Amino acid sequence: GESVGLHLPTLSVQEGDNSIINCAYSNSASDYFIWYKQESGKGPQFIIDIRSNMDKRQGQRVTVLLNKTVKHLSLQIAATQPGDSAVYFCPPKDRDDKIIFGKGTRLHILP
Amino acid sequence: KAGVTQTPRYLIKTRGQQVTLSCSPISGHRSVSWYQQTPGQGLQFLFEYFSETQRNKGNFPGRFSGRQFSNSRSEMNVSTLELGDSALYLCASSLSSGTYNEQFFGPGTRLTVL
Repeated sequence: GESVGLHLPTLSVQEGDNSIINCAYSNSASDYFIWYKQESGKGPQFIIDIRSNMDKRQGQRVTVLLNKTVKHLSLQIAATQPGDSAVYFCPPKDRDDKIIFGKGTRLHILP
Repeated sequence: KAGVTQTPRYLIKTRGQQVTLSCSPISGHRSVSWYQQTPGQGLQFLFEYFSETQRNKGNFPGRFSGRQFSNSRSEMNVSTLELGDSALYLCASSLSSGTYNEQFFGPGTRLTVL
């Protein structure tokens, strides 16, 4: 089956530090990736995306890196703030066209 | 533009009952997907509808079903409820199906089965 995966179920980061959330995928045909953020009591929301012809994409305080060789993505959040506390997903699309979210990574911000 | 809406937001049922949840996608979106979210299993894909046809289905028993209407609104039904069906049910809409598009999620329906 498709591998979803976020390497750590929970990540704790000091406020003001940078956060790095990792994600692996197994479908080598995947050509588009989206990071979602789910805050408590809400549905997941789009943060940033990246296509397979790119290695890096930057947004406001967020950067996504894609390493196609090892099928790995990372989401970097600069100067982490309390509002960044959420569950993060990088769901790939599997060979059957299903989007696989899984459990995500919960980011805790320490004061 | 209004976002994805789901009704009801909260629901309490007892085992053996059935339930129908509703989802109204963003105007112009023709694809609607349903997900079940639990602490143990995370966010799991239930099914996707596009142009009133079920396009894809996750690994859930036949008690879970859905449909989509001509205006793209969708409903999902769970029959013979079990305690394990207690979860947050999320609906997401996107412009089209097939290609990987951004999913726009609703706030979810919190179902509790007693």
